[in-house]
Amino acid sequence: NAGVTQTPKFRVLKTGQSMTLLCAQDMNHEYMYWYRQDPGMGLRLIHYSVGEGTTAKGEVPDGYNVSRLKKQNFLLGLESAAPSQTSVYFCASSYPRTDPSKGYTFGSGTRLTVV
Amino acid sequence: GDSVTQMEGPVTLSEEAFLTINCTYTATGYPSLFWYVQYPGEGLQLLLKATKADDKGSNKGFEATYRKETTSFHLEKGSVQVSDSAVYFCALSNMYSGGGADGLTFGKGTHLIIQP
Repeated sequence: NAGVTQTPKFRVLKTGQSMTLLCAQDMNHEYMYWYRQDPGMGLRLIHYSVGEGTTAKGEVPDGYNVSRLKKQNFLLGLESAAPSQTSVYFCASSYPRTDPSKGYTFGSGTRLTVV
Repeated sequence: GDSVTQMEGPVTLSEEAFLTINCTYTATGYPSLFWYVQYPGEGLQLLLKATKADDKGSNKGFEATYRKETTSFHLEKGSVQVSDSAVYFCALSNMYSGGGADGLTFGKGTHLIIQP
């Protein structure tokens, strides 16, 4: 089925460990996004990409890095995990903002716990 | 910058009750407006959308009308079911916000609980 696939679905890290979250989409979308969802905070944009080889910072980028080497993949990295990064992470993809009517497609999320 | 404000809840209703979840926004220009729904343990799914003033989005018995004069996009359903229990997010996308793709601007979400 066409859509956005996130791996892994769950992960527990120790403080200071590193990991990479993978997002893959098969809809040929130009734009991709990483959000984090925390209770009472809604969704906050971490980083985004407007095309292969490009990335940009969102609202809460500190402690994260991203890469978009291929159009269909968008990776989110945590170099040294901290308990404050315990959250549910969502990837999304979309057409360019100049065509807003189609909305975004979201993955099912990665629940990360940092102990 | 752009912002979305919605009632946070939780909102608890009985089955077959009428539902309204309020959403207001602040944005320059003419944003597109969306409602997303998140069922327990899942990602967000687009519920409905409206791209210009006075448009009505509808899906699965839910409706919302884009009211530019009141900068609102309230979600309504005439008779809710237990299966409607979820978190509902109001969001906007604004091509006039400046360069780049800043992503959707979300409200904080409204947790809806429907009791049998």
